[in-house]
Amino acid sequence: DQQVKQNSPSLSVQEGRISILNCDYTNSMFDYFLWYKKYPAEGPTFLISISSIKDKNEDGRFTVFLNKSAKHLSLHIVPSQPGDSAVYFCAARVSGGSEKLVFGKGTKLTVNP
Amino acid sequence: NAGVTQTPKFRILKIGQSMTLQCTQDMNHNYMYWYRQDPGMGLKLIYYSVGAGITDKGEVPNGYNVSRSTTEDFPLRLELAAPSQTSVYFCASKGQLNTEAFFGQGTRLTVV
Repeated sequence: DQQVKQNSPSLSVQEGRISILNCDYTNSMFDYFLWYKKYPAEGPTFLISISSIKDKNEDGRFTVFLNKSAKHLSLHIVPSQPGDSAVYFCAARVSGGSEKLVFGKGTKLTVNP
Repeated sequence: NAGVTQTPKFRILKIGQSMTLQCTQDMNHNYMYWYRQDPGMGLKLIYYSVGAGITDKGEVPNGYNVSRSTTEDFPLRLELAAPSQTSVYFCASKGQLNTEAFFGQGTRLTVV
């Protein structure tokens, strides 16, 4: 069963507008949530994270919101740029020693000029 | 500082052959991980290590083996390759004080 779900396989937005990528999780044993960005033929690169005890974290154009009661998080990109076009993976870190990451299936973001 | 380095970048194997995917990191990270990514899917954990000499199974370990004799290296061994092992393999490492894991560029493996 999928513990981390990204239900939108793709998203298309216009340059300058807001991109909102969503992620749901089912396991309450995650202590951190992370977003990774992946370009074709490259490895995932870390974008931003949020602790399970926070509800918002901001880094430049990127903001992650966490709603623990709904087991939902979202990544906001404002303003979106063509260079943001990539696959975005939501990941959750398992607490308790291994610090394994559990990944969603990813959302392909296309930012149109 | 090279980060996480994976070799080879591409490989074609015949069914039943064996190979080792190499992964090395120069960040002195304790934690290392092997993931595979199939088309349209997220990354699935194959094996992980929390330090030299310690390894454990992830979500999809069947058909693979690992070893961690040094902090830097975490090779992934495929015995008796099968078409189901066609995938892109990513190695990652994480330091004790890091929240995030750092990924290598990946190895694209095709089994024919």
